[in-house]
Amino acid sequence: QSALTQPRSVSGSPGQSVTISCTGTSSDVGGYNYVSWYQQHPGKAPKLMIYDVSKRPSGVPDRFSGSKSGNTASLTISGLQAEDEADYYCCSYAGSYTLWVFGGGTKLTVL
Amino acid sequence: EVQLVQSGAEVKKPGESLKISCKGSGYSFTSYWIGWVRQMPGKGLEWMGIIYPGDSDTRYSPSFQGQVTISADKSISTAYLQWSSLKASDTAMYYCARLSGSGTYYFDYWGQGTLVTVSS
Repeated sequence: QSALTQPRSVSGSPGQSVTISCTGTSSDVGGYNYVSWYQQHPGKAPKLMIYDVSKRPSGVPDRFSGSKSGNTASLTISGLQAEDEADYYCCSYAGSYTLWVFGGGTKLTVL
Repeated sequence: EVQLVQSGAEVKKPGESLKISCKGSGYSFTSYWIGWVRQMPGKGLEWMGIIYPGDSDTRYSPSFQGQVTISADKSISTAYLQWSSLKASDTAMYYCARLSGSGTYYFDYWGQGTLVTVSS
């Protein structure tokens, strides 16, 4: 099972919005509404930001939102802040054989 | 407070065996799946496998099947990831993570990671 496809990097200025895409197939992203997103700062463990495509865990700012269309999921961060600079990974359930597959990760730079 | 606390960094030689641990606290350890995720140096996350400590039901990613063994000791709320013969390519950070709950498909709590270095 190949990793989900994410852009290697995105950037934006404080206050702007950025969107990170995550493209899979009908066997993972397109087949289930079980896409999650994780934020990882350097040297830290990943942190859950979005689950079930568009739900936010308690404590995650509403600046973070998720969506999905076909085989592509997206994470949008609005009102960019310096602390949003991190790596972001998407993850999708991929059925009872593969179970889960991660994206390759996207480095977000806040200019 | 839910916590997953992993064992410390390891430095091993190729061919050696290793078992790293992940101790859960603050919740019913036997009621939640625990997964393991690899992150090679400078690379992304890779899902390795998952175990349900309640009955030790274990599933592996096809990429890691036969390469590692996942186990759990529910009496001490600890999950394990082990290798019988390490390779240099096993050098990575390894994270354990809790699957949120029955019928869910995301990892809500993560351990701090265990760095494994394999070098002659």
